[in-house]
Amino acid sequence: AQSVTQPDIHITVSEGASLELRCNYSYGATPYLFWYVQSPGQGLQLLLKYFSGDTLVQGIKGFEAEFKRSQSSFNLRKPSVHWSDAAEYFCALNTGTASKLTFGTGTRLQVTL
Amino acid sequence: EPEVTQTPSHQVTQMGQEVILRCVPISNHLYFYWYRQILGQKVEFLVSFYNNEISEKSEIFDDQFSVERPDGSNFTLKIRSTKLEDSAMYFCASRPRQGAYDEQFFGPGTRLTVL
Repeated sequence: AQSVTQPDIHITVSEGASLELRCNYSYGATPYLFWYVQSPGQGLQLLLKYFSGDTLVQGIKGFEAEFKRSQSSFNLRKPSVHWSDAAEYFCALNTGTASKLTFGTGTRLQVTL
Repeated sequence: EPEVTQTPSHQVTQMGQEVILRCVPISNHLYFYWYRQILGQKVEFLVSFYNNEISEKSEIFDDQFSVERPDGSNFTLKIRSTKLEDSAMYFCASRPRQGAYDEQFFGPGTRLTVL
């Protein structure tokens, strides 16, 4: 069965610093991968997705993610974090055989000024 | 911009009571989902719904759960006899069409507290 692991439960970065949130997946073939963000009181908003082609994908709010098949990873990055990026970030996959999303446990990002 | 809405934002109930969580998906969407997140745990898939029937459900979605689309706009999740372990955040999502690469649009969630 497929699974998603986000090893970091909580990360704190200073505003203006770079950010990398880790995501590893387990699935026998190439999955469809997503990053969602949840701000307090809000629903899950899609940041970006990968399903084929270029392994570096660009998303909204200046985020990007790189798919590395050899490492079964899909890490999220941002070169310069803003205080408004403080939120919970979820990595998710869809294997294509079902329409459901399988989520990781999430990483809570705190941004210090 | 169209969005998925959910009511109520917070529901408190006594163990054994029935609850209905309500969702209004985006109007031209065809596929509907419920997920839940127990505090500190993963977001978990409960059920997907298409063409007025369940298309897939997880092991969590037992006989105590049911879903319905009673009219052209609402999508509800009913828990017949709530248990303490049903306390969680429940998310509704919708999607315009089938396709694993298509985005699911999520609502803000309903926090269910079972006492």
